[in-house]
Amino acid sequence: DAMVIQNPRYQVTQFGKPVTLSCSQTLNHNVMYWYQQKSSQAPKLLFHYYDKDFNNEADTPDNFQSRRPNTSFCFLDIRSPGLGDTAMYLCATSRDPGQGNYGYTFGSGTRLTVV
Amino acid sequence: GDSVTQMEGPVTLSEEAFLTINCTYTATGYPSLFWYVQYPGEGLQLLLKATKADDKGSNKGFEATYRKETTSFHLEKGSVQVSDSAVYFCALSADNAGNMLTFGGGTRLMVKP
Repeated sequence: DAMVIQNPRYQVTQFGKPVTLSCSQTLNHNVMYWYQQKSSQAPKLLFHYYDKDFNNEADTPDNFQSRRPNTSFCFLDIRSPGLGDTAMYLCATSRDPGQGNYGYTFGSGTRLTVV
Repeated sequence: GDSVTQMEGPVTLSEEAFLTINCTYTATGYPSLFWYVQYPGEGLQLLLKATKADDKGSNKGFEATYRKETTSFHLEKGSVQVSDSAVYFCALSADNAGNMLTFGGGTRLMVKP
């Protein structure tokens, strides 16, 4: 059974039209991450939540925002998508770092195409 | 800063061939090391991990040994299958960075029947 679920699996949006991607988890993990992965590249961390604490990477564009209303859900909002935002967006979770490092659990990703 | 370097792909092998994908790292302290696999159109799956020097991670016939003296974590499999075709990412988590992962660039493996 999937433990990190991303919806939708595929999303096409128009240039400049706001879009929201969602992620839910059944693992009760403290930390949730959003990564952007462009074609044939390694995933790039956009931001993460440690419980309710939001941590933005220094080079994440302001166009990208996130919300975590509760432990189970986390959303990625792209306010005005550009063509360069076409990518796979990956959500991941991990346990509290103080409990040891068990690696991440990734969702299947949302492939976003901006046209 | 921390970094991970992987051999560039694609790596093309025939079925039942031996696989090695090289991975070296730079980190302070004693990082945990991981291999993730990404099948076409999917997210990343944890393949194996090692948390201290000389540990060997293994899963589905894949193995990797944490070599601190050579700062390496090479991925090996004795006999690959077509179903192993995927992109493989080496990653580390530094002990002073909580669970934050640093990924290598990925290596695409293509296995031909």
